[in-house]
Amino acid sequence: DGGITQSPKYLFRKEGQNVTLSCEQNLNHDAMYWYRQDPGQGLRLIYYSQIVNDFQKGDIAEGYSVSREKKESFPLTVTSAQKNPTAFYLCASRRGEGNSPLHFGNGTRLTVT
Amino acid sequence: QKEVEQDPGPLSVPEGAIVSLNCTYSNSAFQYFMWYRQYSRKGPELLMYTYSSGNKEDGRFTAQVDKSSKYISLFIRDSQPSDSATYLCAMSAGGTSYGKLTFGQGTILTVHP
Repeated sequence: DGGITQSPKYLFRKEGQNVTLSCEQNLNHDAMYWYRQDPGQGLRLIYYSQIVNDFQKGDIAEGYSVSREKKESFPLTVTSAQKNPTAFYLCASRRGEGNSPLHFGNGTRLTVT
Repeated sequence: QKEVEQDPGPLSVPEGAIVSLNCTYSNSAFQYFMWYRQYSRKGPELLMYTYSSGNKEDGRFTAQVDKSSKYISLFIRDSQPSDSATYLCAMSAGGTSYGKLTFGQGTILTVHP
């Protein structure tokens, strides 16, 4: 089955440590996105990538980094510079052309203590 | 003021009721309007996708867009307990911004038997 796989489902880290969240898709989609979800705030865009080896900052990129070395993979690193890293992180993808909708993975819940 | 406002609820209705969910927005550039359903600890799944003003029906779901009032709605007929979830409205200006969605805060819906 085609889809977006995010791993792990739950992640725990100590404050001051960097952590990388995995996102893999087998939908052959060109564009990939990372959103953050906090209670009562909806989803906010962190980074997005329209094609391999290219990515742009979203609305809340500070404290995060990404890479896009392969079409199917778009990992997100939450660095120690991110002040409030505890959140639900969602990866999404879409065909790069036209107005096709976003498809989401099932998220990674990151808890930093 | 947020670009997209959505009443967070929670909303509790009996099985079989008609549910109305609403969002207002301020950015007149938005052209594409979506409703996503999100079950607990899962990623959002696309329910309805509309372009510009008008109505769209899919089974028990009807999406309405009124661009002149900057107001969108989702109606659920004959609601079922399986409809219990968080409903997120989302919108985009389209073109190269298409995947950069702006979300409402989400409305928590419970349909009780």
